[in-house]
Amino acid sequence: DGGITQSPKYLFRKEGQNVTLSCEQNLNHDAMYWYRQDPGQGLRLIYYSQIVNDFQKGDIAEGYSVSREKKESFPLTVTSAQKNPTAFYLCASSITGGAYEQYFGPGTRLTVT
Amino acid sequence: GESVGLHLPTLSVQEGDNSIINCAYSNSASDYFIWYKQESGKGPQFIIDIRSNMDKRQGQRVTVLLNKTVKHLSLQIAATQPGDSAVYFCAETVPGPNAGGTSYGKLTFGQGTILTVHP
Repeated sequence: DGGITQSPKYLFRKEGQNVTLSCEQNLNHDAMYWYRQDPGQGLRLIYYSQIVNDFQKGDIAEGYSVSREKKESFPLTVTSAQKNPTAFYLCASSITGGAYEQYFGPGTRLTVT
Repeated sequence: GESVGLHLPTLSVQEGDNSIINCAYSNSASDYFIWYKQESGKGPQFIIDIRSNMDKRQGQRVTVLLNKTVKHLSLQIAATQPGDSAVYFCAETVPGPNAGGTSYGKLTFGQGTILTVHP
């Protein structure tokens, strides 16, 4: 059963703590992406990676970090420097970094208090 | 700047009616467009896509129309069903700086439209 998995579905953290969100895909896709979604808004790109060991900042990368050590994994760390981290985080992948459909995972809802 | 829109456009239809959801895109250089459906608390699901060398594409019960002159995209859903109720997003990609202008896959999403289908 191929697809993208994100874990956990719900995550609660105290302010000042770093937290890492997991994203795994078994679609053999080269490109992976992280988006943030706030209530009533569209998706905003945080980071993307077109190939293993390479990634670029998206539109709202401040306060976030990523790594791409394996093709199938693209974890996102929300650091304490992120001023407003509570949001719905979505991971996606596409066959390549070109103009192709992006497949989305089920999302992780992060709440920081 | 950040979008501060908290009130998404809404469309309410009766079951069996046809629905048309509109989207104005921002970049005249965009060469690939996608429509996604997102149900509450879930990730977006692909509906249909279209490239800029086309002006119409049909899928099962859905049709996407592209008007590059006015930078407008629309999604038509035939015989709308209650299961179609969701938020619908359009997204565009622009060609990257590589030789040949190959898109680097950065999707820019619209704000979304809430579709409610009444039985």
